[in-house]
Amino acid sequence: QKEVEQNSGPLSVPEGAIASLNCTYSDRGSQSFFWYRQYSGKSPELIMFIYSNGDKEDGRFTAQLNKASQYVSLLIRDSQPSDSATYLCAVTVTGGGNKLTFGTGTQLKVEL
Amino acid sequence: GAVVSQHPSRVICKSGTSVKIECRSLDFQATTMFWYRQFPKQSLMLMATSNEGSKATYEQGVEKDKFLINHASLTLSTLTVTSAHPEDSSFYICSAREERSSQFFGPGTRLTVL
Repeated sequence: QKEVEQNSGPLSVPEGAIASLNCTYSDRGSQSFFWYRQYSGKSPELIMFIYSNGDKEDGRFTAQLNKASQYVSLLIRDSQPSDSATYLCAVTVTGGGNKLTFGTGTQLKVEL
Repeated sequence: GAVVSQHPSRVICKSGTSVKIECRSLDFQATTMFWYRQFPKQSLMLMATSNEGSKATYEQGVEKDKFLINHASLTLSTLTVTSAHPEDSSFYICSAREERSSQFFGPGTRLTVL
């Protein structure tokens, strides 16, 4: 079982819709959860991080964490074509030295 | 957010040569720097973790004698790919982390070994 799992996609949504990206993780010791956006040929860019159960909102982005079910999600409201990218979920674990373990990413396509 | 730079952004070299990649944190002191490698359509794979002034910690399967890491200061880490071969061609990305902060990634270095 992979440590961090994501559906590779592509996930296609129309412009203006809500995009929902999901991630599950296997290690119950996971402490911190991150969402990165990566455009083709570029390095990842941090979008959000979340540590506690519940929702965290930042502009059009909302991260949701459910430690009991071991999943974290990212919602993008009012999706724009510029949001088209691969979204990487990453987690750190206690005693892991702040190392990030990445999922394989979900490709999002926002269509006009 | 914090700014991390990498140099060079792209390098093409002949098989057997060594390539040095620099990673700098421009506006903060990075207690820890990480080196990743990413092959096409795959996720980032952590190669090693480096802390200033100490030896890097390599992930399982990463040859420390082939991928030399030096973390000479709180703002600079270097990765040297020694005796590079075509299978080393990849996208190498560093990240830097300030104390009690998230990781910020450099723009990456695309290495092509002919």
